Amino acid sequence: AQSVTQLGSHVSVSEGALVLLRCNYSSSVPPYLFWYVQYPNQGLQLLLKYTSAATLVKGINGFEAEFKKSETSFHLTKPSAHMSDAAEYFCAVSEKAAGNKLTFGGGTRVLVKP
Amino acid sequence: DTGVSQNPRHKITKRGQNVTFRCDPISEHNRLYWYRQTLGQGPEFLTYFQNEAQLEKSRLLSDRFSAERPKGSFSTLEIQRTEQGDSAMYLCASSLAAVDEQFFGPGTRLTVL
Repeated sequence: AQSVTQLGSHVSVSEGALVLLRCNYSSSVPPYLFWYVQYPNQGLQLLLKYTSAATLVKGINGFEAEFKKSETSFHLTKPSAHMSDAAEYFCAVSEKAAGNKLTFGGGTRVLVKP
Repeated sequence: DTGVSQNPRHKITKRGQNVTFRCDPISEHNRLYWYRQTLGQGPEFLTYFQNEAQLEKSRLLSDRFSAERPKGSFSTLEIQRTEQGDSAMYLCASSLAAVDEQFFGPGTRLTVL
């Protein structure tokens, strides 16, 4: 069975500082991995995805993530935080054999301080 | 491409009433997924369709829940005899079977009083 753990339910960063959100997964087969962002009272928007191509994945809004098989991790980073990055971020894993249904982590809420 | 739409956006009901939500996927997408998200948690998978066939249901989906996707287009999720524990955001997503990315709708927030 697949699972996702996001370390830290809340992260506070200063505007212009590095954003680092941690995600570790468990999967019995090579996984597909995703990061989604959710703004208040809205649905989820895909930031980036890993589907067994390049291990360093670039997404929208300056975010990127690196797939590390040995560490079963898919951490999300952004070099310089912007006020508009304040939102909740979810890491998710899916398996093709499981109908590609997504299993999400508990989420990390990001607060950006001016 | 108008995206995934869900109606209603908000629903307040009394315990014991039945409610029905609708999801309209992106038109060419043949897969449709339902998720439930409670406050402060990540979304949890409920069920999914490929075209009109319902291929999997989560154990979270009790007998009071039923989902349909007639003709492989829009989908409905019905909850009978609602309970306070059903209060949550219900999210719908769609995708092409051969592609992994799921596109989410804005969700329907259900409050059961």
